[in-house]
Amino acid sequence: KNEVEQSPQNLTAQEGEFITINCSYSVGISALHWLQQHPGGGIVSLFMLSSGKKKHGRLIATINIQEKHSSLHITASHPRDSAVYICAVSFYSGTYKYIFGTGTRLKVLA
Amino acid sequence: DSGVTQTPKHLITATGQRVTLRCSPRSGDLSVYWYQQSLDQGLQFLIQYYNGEERAKGNILERFSAQQFPDLHSELNLSSLELGDSALYFCASSGQGYEQFFGPGTRLTVL
Repeated sequence: KNEVEQSPQNLTAQEGEFITINCSYSVGISALHWLQQHPGGGIVSLFMLSSGKKKHGRLIATINIQEKHSSLHITASHPRDSAVYICAVSFYSGTYKYIFGTGTRLKVLA
Repeated sequence: DSGVTQTPKHLITATGQRVTLRCSPRSGDLSVYWYQQSLDQGLQFLIQYYNGEERAKGNILERFSAQQFPDLHSELNLSSLELGDSALYFCASSGQGYEQFFGPGTRLTVL
């Protein structure tokens, strides 16, 4: 079992739909990160959070530390949101570790 | 543009060779991270440097080494290259807020 699991693996949505991507992890963490990887390969850090909720534009990230679960929501989705969304956790276990989920491939259709 | 630069953008080499990937962090960022992204393994953390010192070590092979120089740029050295080392190598930097800013990556192809 992977320490970080994402669902769904693939997601196709119509423009304007509300999208949710889930991330579950099995270790105690310092922080959880949401990354966006565009088709060209570039990676952008969307959020880093250790509790509660953060919002940036149409993106919202939440985390429940007790349940070891985080969600990334995209409101009013747009074709330019098409990308791979990757969840990662960082924690200290003798040294700092960073573990990535396998990503959710999102395609938003016009 | 994240402010993090990586060179070269593409690198094609042969098995057994040695290559050096270079990363310049955002101005003022003291931490540099290296990641490998391959088709079968996904993104993996390799190593982190903070102000010239190794801070954290991930799944970095013994054939790989890195360093961070006084001007804070970092180099990742990959030696005795194997076909399986073909991947995208990303560098990221962070400042006091720990949010990481990623470079555009170096695509390494080992033939």
